[in-house]
Amino acid sequence: GAVVSQHPSRVICKSGTSVKIECRSLDFQATTMFWYRQFPKQSLMLMATSNEGSKATYEQGVEKDKFLINHASLTLSTLTVTSAHPEDSSFYICSARTSSDFYEQYFGPGTRLTVT
Amino acid sequence: GQNIDQPTEMTATEGAIVQINCTYQTSGFNGLFWYQQHAGEAPTFLSYNVLDGLEEKGRFSSFLSRSKGYSYLLLKELQMKDSASYLCAVFSGYSTLTFGKGTMLLVSP
Repeated sequence: GAVVSQHPSRVICKSGTSVKIECRSLDFQATTMFWYRQFPKQSLMLMATSNEGSKATYEQGVEKDKFLINHASLTLSTLTVTSAHPEDSSFYICSARTSSDFYEQYFGPGTRLTVT
Repeated sequence: GQNIDQPTEMTATEGAIVQINCTYQTSGFNGLFWYQQHAGEAPTFLSYNVLDGLEEKGRFSSFLSRSKGYSYLLLKELQMKDSASYLCAVFSGYSTLTFGKGTMLLVSP
């Protein structure tokens, strides 16, 4: 149980375009979802926390107008990278938490974004 | 602020034992996670320590000392498939996970 999927797994886009990444909890209801970004040989950095039906909470230094997060249902959250630039190229990972399990986050397989 | 330190790289041979250390200074502490991450993949859960002491789970064990801000992950009977990055992460506040940069472990024959 507790499977999280992400789509797409890899995406290449041109500079200036927007890219949407989906994160789904397949067999549980995720009241809270998290979006992380990981650059090569670096740590996972939390970008934002989203609760179903409310606005996401962004970490300091993350532009909320550039990284749009929507958590419209208990099984789906989306991250849209708007006007992407090469420096946005990274590994984006989502995780999800249930209302009954306060501590554990279940991670998706990640999305490799390359902006050319 | 949050500061989590772990060695960048470690090497070991198949069948050996390796200990990966993690020290942390964080504002607020609810527990400490260890994750394994293979290149290009998401982290997978290994262990979670809330109280001081050793938690053993098969070939993997994790230790925590809250007073010292210190944890270690012990891997026994190393296998080639254990070559991966090992991430120490502190759980604080309501839901915040802060990750260290990870320790790249290379297991050689």
